[in-house]
Amino acid sequence: DAEITQSPRHKIIETGRQVTLACHQTWNHNNMFWYRQDLGHGLRLIHYSYGVHDTNKGEVSDGYSVSRSNTEDLPLTLESAASSQTSVYFCASSEATGGWNTEAFFGQGTRLTVV
Amino acid sequence: GQSLEQPSEVTAVEGAIVQINCTYQTSGFYGLSWYQQHDGGAPTFLSYNALDGLEETGRFSSFLSRSDSYGYLLLQELQMKDSASYFCAAPDNYGQNFVFGPGTRLSVLP
Repeated sequence: DAEITQSPRHKIIETGRQVTLACHQTWNHNNMFWYRQDLGHGLRLIHYSYGVHDTNKGEVSDGYSVSRSNTEDLPLTLESAASSQTSVYFCASSEATGGWNTEAFFGQGTRLTVV
Repeated sequence: GQSLEQPSEVTAVEGAIVQINCTYQTSGFYGLSWYQQHDGGAPTFLSYNALDGLEETGRFSSFLSRSDSYGYLLLQELQMKDSASYFCAAPDNYGQNFVFGPGTRLSVLP
């Protein structure tokens, strides 16, 4: 069965360190997204990609970067981690049907703690 | 852009019916979706409405009124396992991105 997986599931890092969160999907979807989820804020879009070599900034992109070298993967990098980036991170993918997206498929999430 | 509003919490008892409302403001409209998320889990897709009216999937139904910029999720015959957070979502950016509401936490009591 097709799926979307994130790794690691949990990570603790020190302030100022760089960290990369992996996201891999086997749906062969063109669209991939990174969200962060914090209490009281729901799911907020960090970066998104509509295909290989395409990346775009979302609502809360400062301090984050992504790259898309193939269809399956969209790694999220925190260049210099800050305590404000302590959160749960979700990767998602989708495919537009009839011209737009109707359903997103989510990974299980990565709980990141910056100390 | 898009903004969506939902109540923060709803409580109901087992076997009852509960309605979770969502109002939205959009620059363009590409439908309204609903997701369920259990504590510690990932959001999972429940339903999608592109047109006005009711869509039924088992115990869950979703309704949309585009003229009122309003939708709701209806959960019938509530079970303890329905305790979760429920998010409405609307595609933005010409239908390619998903914008989520803040979520409604449903607690089902015995």
